[in-house]
This record gives sequence, structure tokens and C-alpha cells, in this order.
Amino acid sequence: DIQMTQSPSSLSASVGDRVTITCRASQSISSYLNWYQQKPGKAPKLLIYAASSLQSGVPSRFSGSGSGTDFTLTISSLQPEDFATYYCQQSYSTLIFTFGPGTKVDIK
Amino acid sequence: QLQLQESGPGLVKPSETLSLTCTVSGGSISSSSYYWGWIRQPPGKGLEWIGSIYYSGSTYYNPSLKSRVTISVDTSKNQFSLKLSSVTAADTAVYYCARIVIAARRGPNTNWFDPWGQGTLVTVSS
Repeated sequence: DIQMTQSPSSLSASVGDRVTITCRASQSISSYLNWYQQKPGKAPKLLIYAASSLQSGVPSRFSGSGSGTDFTLTISSLQPEDFATYYCQQSYSTLIFTFGPGTKVDIK
Repeated sequence: QLQLQESGPGLVKPSETLSLTCTVSGGSISSSSYYWGWIRQPPGKGLEWIGSIYYSGSTYYNPSLKSRVTISVDTSKNQFSLKLSSVTAADTAVYYCARIVIAARRGPNTNWFDPWGQGTLVTVSS
């Protein structure tokens, strides 16, 4: 089974800060990595698919990079509406999916 | 605009079977470009994929839940359903249904969940 880890598990940041979240897979997953944003009481929302492709309608301050085992989600200038929990998810195993444990971004 | 809506009992007794249905509107569940999936989230915890189904009935399950999970599809009603047997308190969670996009042109396993239903809380308690 492919295991996903994320770091940090939580972070505090200010509006305007550059934020980077890391996701690591237990084996190479090529670029089969997606990122989601979840706000309290809401369903997750797709931000990035295939490691670096921005989902339609998602602000350009969000970007993804990486391949193999190490991936990053970057928010270039944190906005008030970005305070949320972020999850990575691998799709390398054919139609067997695993999520990372999440990274909570809150206000400093 | 595609929408998904979960429905089913919010309270299930231990050892019984949890049953949920996801109704898809604004699009056909019979599209060849998508799978359909269930994901759950225990209170205050992370996301766990439960399983997925194609409109033809082909299924994939989380190995850790496989012995207790059955997912089925009813194309005539544009719905798919989840049954989880022998539930315990550990199965208490918000259960989400979601569409799984199959973007094979980008790579054989380029799949993602979008959109999601709003989720439904299922509590396992006597």
C-alpha cells in the first residue's frame, strides 16, 4: 500500500505570507498527486490535479509541483479565505486511492 | 452543473449495516469518463477512501474495508449506493460521495475527485 505523509501537520501564517506544504509518498507515484482544500463543515474542494495542473476556477496563487515521492503545494500570498485544511491524495495505484493526513493552516 | 447528494439514516446501531445512496443530478452516471466514489471522514480526522464504482458495475474497494463494503449502481435512477456491514463506533463519520474523473489522456492513472457531495454524518450508537 502507498502511504502518504504531509508536513507540517499544522502551521500558523499571516495574510500575505507565502505558504508551502509538503506531501511525501512511500514510493514513487510519478505525478499522480492531487491537492484538496477543506473548510470546516464543508466538503473538500479540488485545487490541483496531476501534481501541477490548476483546477478551473482556482486562484492562481495556488500552485503545485513535484514528481516521484516529493510534492509541494504553495500559496504565494495567503488570503483570509485560504485558512483551511489541505490534503494530498495519490492516484498511482489503479483506482486505489490514499489521502495524506492533512495540513491545517490557521491565522497567526 | 453536476451535483451529488448523499442520503440515508443518520444513526445506525452497532453490528448493523450502514446504507447510503448518492443521487447524481445535472449529468449522467453512465458516462464512460468517470467512476463514482465514497469517502469518509471521522469527526476531527482525515479523509479515507472507501471504494469506487463504474456505471457498468465494476468496483474497487479499500483493502482495509473490503470485507465489509458493497458499492452498487442503479443507472436508471442515476444513483450509486454504499453498504457497510457490521459497523462499530469507529465507523462514525461524515460520508461523502464524489465523482472520480478519469483523465486517461494525461496518463493511465490520472484520476481525481471532483465534485463532492455535501456529506452526511452517520453515527454508530445503540
